Amino acid sequence: GAGVSQSPRYKVAKRGQDVALRCDPISGHVSLFWYQQALGQGPEFLTYFQNEAQLDKSGLPSDRFFAERPEGSVSTLKIQRTQQEDSAVYLCASSPFSGRAPGELFFGEGSRLTVL
Amino acid sequence: AQTVTQSQPEMSVQEAETVTLSCTYDTSENNYYLFWYKQPPSRQMILVIRQEAYKQQNATENRFSVNFQKAAKSFSLKISDSQLGDTAMYFCAFINQGGSEKLVFGKGTKLTVNP
Repeated sequence: GAGVSQSPRYKVAKRGQDVALRCDPISGHVSLFWYQQALGQGPEFLTYFQNEAQLDKSGLPSDRFFAERPEGSVSTLKIQRTQQEDSAVYLCASSPFSGRAPGELFFGEGSRLTVL
Repeated sequence: AQTVTQSQPEMSVQEAETVTLSCTYDTSENNYYLFWYKQPPSRQMILVIRQEAYKQQNATENRFSVNFQKAAKSFSLKISDSQLGDTAMYFCAFINQGGSEKLVFGKGTKLTVNP
């Protein structure tokens, strides 16, 4: 497709379940980012990939959060043993730039996670 | 740590009027980029306008322009001739040049354009 695609769009999980969120970036985009957007807040950085290398994971809130991009294209954000505070929209974004990225990101529509 | 502050949680404007959204930021760096992103209801976030800190000239994109005051660390967005399609959340964002790749966002301003 032409844009960043995320799936599922909506996910309801029971507390303690594991979830996996998928991101298909724009073809050829080098950089891929995950952000977490709580209700009524701005996006908060989680992690950043340049191709398959995870260069920054400083925003991951706990070791229950794990992200990968094994072939430098599709990325998966996994959350283990979900908690209610994990409820948020998870945004994926990609950029054709690498290195000194100017911050021009192309966002997907997000995956809305609700933990009951 | 860099922070971005948007002091107006909500604003409204009449169609065809002009509105200004405020943003201030805090950084000790000298080279950086500033952005305004738009997030329409249930749709993806898109870039509205970008400003490089080393450029004194304010960026303009059609009906959208910024007032960049580097010394005051202020970066406001002016929307002229507001249209119904401008109704959205607007986020101010910041990134260092040469540092981490992560964008730092403000909490956003919800703009409603009334007919």
